[in-house]
Formats: sequence, C-alpha cells, structure tokens
Amino acid sequence: DAGVIQSPRHEVTEMGQEVTLRCKPISGHNSLFWYRQTMMRGLELLIYFNNNVPIDDSGMPEDRFSAKMPNASFSTLKIQPSEPRDSAVYFCASSFSLAGGRGNEQFFGPGTRLTVL
Amino acid sequence: AQTVTQSQPEMSVQEAETVTLSCTYDTSESDYYLFWYKQPPSRQMILVIRQEAYKQQNATENRFSVNFQKAAKSFSLKISDSQLGDAAMYFCAYRGDYGGSQGNLIFGKGTKLSVKP
Repeated sequence: DAGVIQSPRHEVTEMGQEVTLRCKPISGHNSLFWYRQTMMRGLELLIYFNNNVPIDDSGMPEDRFSAKMPNASFSTLKIQPSEPRDSAVYFCASSFSLAGGRGNEQFFGPGTRLTVL
Repeated sequence: AQTVTQSQPEMSVQEAETVTLSCTYDTSESDYYLFWYKQPPSRQMILVIRQEAYKQQNATENRFSVNFQKAAKSFSLKISDSQLGDAAMYFCAYRGDYGGSQGNLIFGKGTKLSVKP
C-alpha cells in the first residue's frame, strides 16, 4: 500500500492567496483527520471525517479554513485568504473502524509544509 | 477535556544506553488508548508503540517498551540499546475509545531526543 498521500509536499504562497491541500487516505480506511503542527501550539486537530461526514470541526481556526471529503478516497483542506500565521505543517491521517469496534491506529501522511509570506 | 503533558523538552542519551521519556495525561474516561509517535527530521509521524488502557500488561516492541501506570495517569517510554537512528522528536498521544466513531489524537508538546555516538 502506498500509505496516506498528501500534496503538495511544500507550498509557498503570498498572503491573501488561496491554498488547497490534498489528501488521499489509505484504501479501505473510513476515518480521515487533518492536523496542524506549529512550534507554538504543537500538533492539533483541525477536523476529522468518518465515512466522509465531518464529525468534529471544532479545531478549524476560523472561517478562512474549510475542508471537504467528496468521496472515500479524497479530501481537501482550503485556506482562503491565507495569512502568515497559517504557516505550519499540515498532516492528514487515516484509520479504519468497525461500528462498535475498538479504535484503530491512525496512519499519517508525510505532511505539507505551508509558508505564507 | 483531556490533556497530555511531556515535561522533558529535550533529552540526550549515549549510544547503546537506555533512556526513558516521560508522559502524563489527564482524563475522566476509563477506556482509552495511549501512543508514542516518533518524528525524525523527515517529519514523517511514525507509530512506535501503543497501549490499550484496559490491558494491564505493558506494551513492548523490540527495543521500545512502556511503563503504563493507569492510576497515576503516567505513560513513559523506555528505549533500550539506543541507536543513532532513534534521534527524533517523540510525541505522546491520547485517544478516547469511542467505539464505532474514531476520536482524534491529543498530543503532548514532544521531547527531542539526541543520541550521542
């Protein structure tokens, strides 16, 4: 298996521009998570989906951030307009769960390093 | 709300020696999972070891083992026979057991481990 795939690996953009980060989860996984890593705040959850439905988006910082999961094999995280404080590494992770079953391991993608100038 | 605390921002160990990384957490739940993730300079998040709270036996994975003290809410990682490749950031993480739905990971701030040759 190719693992969780994220693109791009690096993104440099100017303040005010729209940024779209992409994630392809591991085939067969039904949960997908977006995390952000910064020096100040560490690793924190932005949003997660279960069976393509957003379950918890309380970590999304503000209306400039939006996430979609149109199907089981693709998700996007969009920032519009971007600001310098959005500079961070954004991770996508996926896992598989059965109804009523115990939780399973989350597999992380390689991350996207975003720099907003 | 659950919290995870790693009180050692940096640690150092001599190659072939043993080192222990500390982690404490706070939760009111009785069922949950604890993890240690390794993040080398490549920034890939790699699962090192996991512990289910309902298991009394401490998890082990080759040179990696944990000391899980449920009553004390402590979850330390011991690395035996340290190798140069063990140098990385290590994150302790917590996740509740939500049955069919997947809870997100809550991370500590991390411990940077250096290995001296």
